[in-house]
Amino acid sequence: LAKTTQPISMDSYEGQEVNITCSHNNIATNDYITWYQQFPSQGPRFIIQGYKTKVTNEVASLFIPADRKSSTLSLPRVSLSDTAVYYCLVGYPGGTDKLIFGTGTRLQVFP
Amino acid sequence: GAVVSQHPSWVICKSGTSVKIECRSLDFQATTMFWYRQFPKQSLMLMATSNEGSKATYEQGVEKDKFLINHASLTLSTLTVTSAHPEDSSFYICSAGKQGYNYEQYFGPGTRLTVT
Repeated sequence: LAKTTQPISMDSYEGQEVNITCSHNNIATNDYITWYQQFPSQGPRFIIQGYKTKVTNEVASLFIPADRKSSTLSLPRVSLSDTAVYYCLVGYPGGTDKLIFGTGTRLQVFP
Repeated sequence: GAVVSQHPSWVICKSGTSVKIECRSLDFQATTMFWYRQFPKQSLMLMATSNEGSKATYEQGVEKDKFLINHASLTLSTLTVTSAHPEDSSFYICSAGKQGYNYEQYFGPGTRLTVT
């Protein structure tokens, strides 16, 4: 399983765009990149997943360069409720493959 | 969507007793479920992979005789913390994958265990 590296923490203000980058130099050909969000005392929640280029959904965008050795989660116009820990995971999470969580990025959004 | 529930959401037990935590996939079948432990301000640590109808696979350093896992059906996995001690106090989270659907794992809400 590929190891991921993320910033430990980030600060932002309401209304700003936040970009969290994750490094995964040893990503395998079949690996997908998945981001989860976790609030205190709750289970992680799926945000977005991608394999290459750009993926966008109603809450975030995921940018993956051609070499796939990194990825960037983009949260547009964050609010206070986006304060959470964000985890980048790399693997083939097809339901039966285990996920190994890294340290995650603790995002603090200020008013 | 896919929902995973856990019961109880929190439990307090005395040292030396055993506690069972249930993980259920409510609207889908899961042949594989995972159990994690999370200490305050730390990341999730995978404890074991629970396989329906067979023995669980434990991660290195996790005592299989202390953390008993039973995956008796396609919608239920249980984690029993035996002879609990204060150092077992933690947040326990399970997850289940919905095979063939968005390659996504769904996490339960977690169970807060406090051993006194």
